[in-house]
Amino acid sequence: GAVVSQHPSRVICKSGTSVKIECRSLDFQATTMFWYRQFPKQSLMLMATSNEGSKATYEQGVEKDKFLINHASLTLSTLTVTSAHPEDSSFYICSARAGDRGRDGYTFGSGTRLTVV
Amino acid sequence: ILNVEQSPQSLHVQEGDSTNFTCSFPSSNFYALHWYRWETAKSPEALFVMTLNGDEKKKGRISATLNTKEGYSYLYIKGSQPEDSATYLCASSTGGFKTIFGAGTRLFVKA
Repeated sequence: GAVVSQHPSRVICKSGTSVKIECRSLDFQATTMFWYRQFPKQSLMLMATSNEGSKATYEQGVEKDKFLINHASLTLSTLTVTSAHPEDSSFYICSARAGDRGRDGYTFGSGTRLTVV
Repeated sequence: ILNVEQSPQSLHVQEGDSTNFTCSFPSSNFYALHWYRWETAKSPEALFVMTLNGDEKKKGRISATLNTKEGYSYLYIKGSQPEDSATYLCASSTGGFKTIFGAGTRLFVKA
């Protein structure tokens, strides 16, 4: 089945530094990938939709200059948290759809736990 | 803004018990309802995608039903096993292909 590889799984960084998270679709081409953020005991919240070869679409309230998304190929999307601060500490997870829009389940990465100290 | 609500938040059962939990979603502009199983330190795994009112799907001991008119879906687990312990997420997709996730139901099955 479809597999999405996400890394790193866990990262601790100093305040003010940038962190890059990668998601790769291993056995299918993903023209669209989705980036989510989850705070403890809350829902997965969609941050942005990443489109191969074009600019990402950000959800309301998500700073595009803070969370840089690059989808340079059909199998790789990256999320860079720039100038990270402690309030950016969260769980970030990506997903992609291998099939028909909305009728197929999403394939998720395994997530990245970011801690900013 | 869509709201997808799941209940209960968490559930503790004994091995062999059958259990069920609920996902409620706005019924307007409905397109598809997804259920995922998410074990700790792993990726969420798609269980079911349902689109039609009255849909029932089954995968081993797990089954799900869908009522799009009233906006709810039930997930059932028959004869729970410790390996069923996980967070069960549901998500609702609209006609605009926007998908909103619930916060999940965390299931603990004690041997």
